[in-house]
Amino acid sequence: NAGVTQTPKFRVLKTGQSMTLLCAQDMNHEYMYWYRQDPGMGLRLIHYSVGEGTTAKGEVPDGYNVSRLKKQNFLLGLESAAPSQTSVYFCASDVSGQEGYSNQPQHFGDGTRLSIL
Amino acid sequence: GQNIDQPTEMTATEGAIVQINCTYQTSGFNGLFWYQQHAGEAPTFLSYNVLDGLEEKGRFSSFLSRSKGYSYLLLKELQMKDSASYLCAVCSDRGSTLGRLYFGRGTQLTVWP
Repeated sequence: NAGVTQTPKFRVLKTGQSMTLLCAQDMNHEYMYWYRQDPGMGLRLIHYSVGEGTTAKGEVPDGYNVSRLKKQNFLLGLESAAPSQTSVYFCASDVSGQEGYSNQPQHFGDGTRLSIL
Repeated sequence: GQNIDQPTEMTATEGAIVQINCTYQTSGFNGLFWYQQHAGEAPTFLSYNVLDGLEEKGRFSSFLSRSKGYSYLLLKELQMKDSASYLCAVCSDRGSTLGRLYFGRGTQLTVWP
């Protein structure tokens, strides 16, 4: 039972480079989320999706783009990486939105540690 | 806006009881979650409260008072493996922001032998 899988686990980029972080979930969850976690800041929501083909901005969306072309995948893109985007990125999903479910906990991937030099 | 407050650090000894508090001021409320996060790992779900009162789950209990905007996580019979960061997260009202979670900054608990 894989749950939420993030790739890659680690990456070092130079300022200005672009990259895409991939999140895949095998639980048939409707909702998916991208967070960043910085020391002393807690988890902050970047973007989220409430279903295939939909995306919405969270608290800190600037500098990032997302796509949800397939229900099981949620991609986070950095078009031109900046040192301020050095962080640990977590993807999460939950079953909310599906008939019969009330609040359900979010399931997190193991994170991607990204350093921008 | 959303404001969720919890202590930055706490320490306790093995076998003891510790209470981690969380206060919140949010626009809309649809439940409160507690997560545990060990260093270098993903957050994992501990508990969920949407009604006032105490929810007990083994060594862990969580309490909610909606009128006071207050919750606590109670850990009993502490073990070394309980050393971790504990995250309080408030779920917004689904009608407006679709059930998003707003996280506190986490409380780093260290358990000493």
